[in-house]
Amino acid sequence: EPEVTQTPSHQVTQMGQEVILRCVPISNHLYFYWYRQILGQKVEFLVSFYNNEISEKSEIFDDQFSVERPDGSNFTLKIRSTKLEDSAMYFCASRQTLTGTGVTEQFFGPGTRLTVL
Amino acid sequence: GQNIDQPTEMTATEGAIVQINCTYQTSGFNGLFWYQQHAGEAPTFLSYNVLDGLEEKGRFSSFLSRSKGYSYLLLKELQMKDSASYLCAVRPSGGYQKVTFGTGTKLQVIP
Repeated sequence: EPEVTQTPSHQVTQMGQEVILRCVPISNHLYFYWYRQILGQKVEFLVSFYNNEISEKSEIFDDQFSVERPDGSNFTLKIRSTKLEDSAMYFCASRQTLTGTGVTEQFFGPGTRLTVL
Repeated sequence: GQNIDQPTEMTATEGAIVQINCTYQTSGFNGLFWYQQHAGEAPTFLSYNVLDGLEEKGRFSSFLSRSKGYSYLLLKELQMKDSASYLCAVRPSGGYQKVTFGTGTKLQVIP
């Protein structure tokens, strides 16, 4: 069964450093998302991406964040200068497209646990 | 704004039935999802409701009342592996499928 994959599974970095989190969405999916979940808190939407551009972003997704689809398979989240409060699990998700019933669900990857020291 | 409320924790007995409630107040409504999340893992899709009524899928059913801003997830014949957090998530009006999650209900199934 096709699945979303993410690398690395765990990333430890020093405050102020740049990190790039990588995702490979399901191959025939067209919509891509990043979410984060701080330990013990709810899943929070960061950004959605369609047709090679950001379609929607939350107030969390400030200038320190960027997303890119550098090739036909990868989808990346970059944090330019990490802060302690960026420590969280980051989930990538992808979705196919609208169907006759109106919507399809998002499939989540296993997540990357980011620890900022 | 978006506000989604769920009970924080619930406990139920193996083999029993449990109902997890969710109320929401959102700027527009375009569907409600239930996800299951085991500790340290990604959310996995359980159900989707956009029209009023009950959707049944095996041991899991989900109900929606749009006029009341209310949904529930019903789990039957509980198994120990059902111990997880259950996340209610709403898609507000709009075209790109952004989903707003509630804080989740941690369900513990006991023997």
